Amino acid sequence: KAGVTQTPRYLIKTRGQQVTLSCSPISGHRSVSWYQQTPGQGLQFLFEYFSETQRNKGNFPGRFSGRQFSNSRSEMNVSTLELGDSALYLCASSLQTSVIEQFFGPGTRLTVL
Amino acid sequence: GEDVEQSLFLSVREGDSSVINCTYTDSSSTYLYWYKQEPGAGLQLLTYIFSNMDMKQDQRLTVLLNKKDKHLSLRIADTQTGDSAIYFCAETGGFKTIFGAGTRLFVKA
Repeated sequence: KAGVTQTPRYLIKTRGQQVTLSCSPISGHRSVSWYQQTPGQGLQFLFEYFSETQRNKGNFPGRFSGRQFSNSRSEMNVSTLELGDSALYLCASSLQTSVIEQFFGPGTRLTVL
Repeated sequence: GEDVEQSLFLSVREGDSSVINCTYTDSSSTYLYWYKQEPGAGLQLLTYIFSNMDMKQDQRLTVLLNKKDKHLSLRIADTQTGDSAIYFCAETGGFKTIFGAGTRLFVKA
């Protein structure tokens, strides 16, 4: 069974631009969660999608948004990029919501110049 | 609020046991986890323990949970150079998982 895939793996953007990251969960998994990982703040929960609905949201500004499609694939969008948005963005999938086991993808490394 | 704390670094010799410690604050935590992250990679779930358990063993890994003190530990027996990585402790009481800052394990040959 293929694992969680994330595209692209690396991105370089400039301040003020917007970016879309993609996550394909493990086949059969219906929940996708997104996390931001930075050296200063560690791993922080962004949001979770289940059956195309955002179920839970972390403490991030409205510039961070996401969606989930009927095939459970998810996208995350960050608008008006700031230098501080440079991070590794990790996606995790699980069978259901109210997670017990999450499986993480390799992440997308976003650099904002 | 919810918080998970762990020491930042641990250095051991190859063949020795490693013990990585973690404390958490949320008494409603249901599951506690240990993840491993190697350079340039995502997080790999190593093991998890349900909050009503005291111990879980899985090959070289032993997880101990002291629920009264909200203390979790991960013991890696016969540590190998391939175990060098960052280890994250995490807890969940429901919809989201709270992670510690990670312990970087150095294994000296």
